[in-house]
Amino acid sequence: SQQGEEDPQALSIQEGENATMNCSYKTSINNLQWYRQNSGRGLVHLILIRSNEREKHSGRLRVTLDTSKKSSSLLITASRAADTASYFCATGKGSNYKLTFGKGTLLTVNP
Amino acid sequence: DAGVIQSPRHEVTEMGQEVTLRCKPISGHDYLFWYRQTMMRGLELLIYFNNNVPIDDSGMPEDRFSAKMPNASFSTLKIQPSEPRDSAVYFCASSLTGGLGYEQYFGPGTRLTVT
Repeated sequence: SQQGEEDPQALSIQEGENATMNCSYKTSINNLQWYRQNSGRGLVHLILIRSNEREKHSGRLRVTLDTSKKSSSLLITASRAADTASYFCATGKGSNYKLTFGKGTLLTVNP
Repeated sequence: DAGVIQSPRHEVTEMGQEVTLRCKPISGHDYLFWYRQTMMRGLELLIYFNNNVPIDDSGMPEDRFSAKMPNASFSTLKIQPSEPRDSAVYFCASSLTGGLGYEQYFGPGTRLTVT
């Protein structure tokens, strides 16, 4: 079964607005990652947060992790049309390097 | 670095034919992953290797699928015989032990269409 489930499935906003996407998972993890996929392209790693971290920032991205609720959120501030893409959360557990991906949130930023 | 390289980028074949997808990971990376992406099932991990050794192939859908990694710079995913339900985008990704630990670098994918 899918470990990560993103919410919402699709999100449409205006340029300049903030976009928030959520991810829930079912079992314990040791890290959670967010990836972006532009149409017709491969996935690109955005940010990784470890299970002992609660918040992380990278440029216009802010990720939070609540292990008690088994959930994470990705906030993109001051969105741009170029942020239009699908965003996936992926969870890692144990000592292996295997990731389990959710089905993604399709973000559309209208100019 | 050139990133993860996959070939071909597009493949159209007829049902029953053999299909071979190729991947060159980032130099020095010791993990290699094969994924399949469809609208219905999302991104599924098929198999992954560590130091050229298959670690987990539990995601390989059936015996028609096989994967090899003869050396650190090359891997293949073979489907024989192919079926229309194999139509999907196949991604290869690589990762480095001890980097961020788990970050994966994806190739551009191979779009496979089986008619």
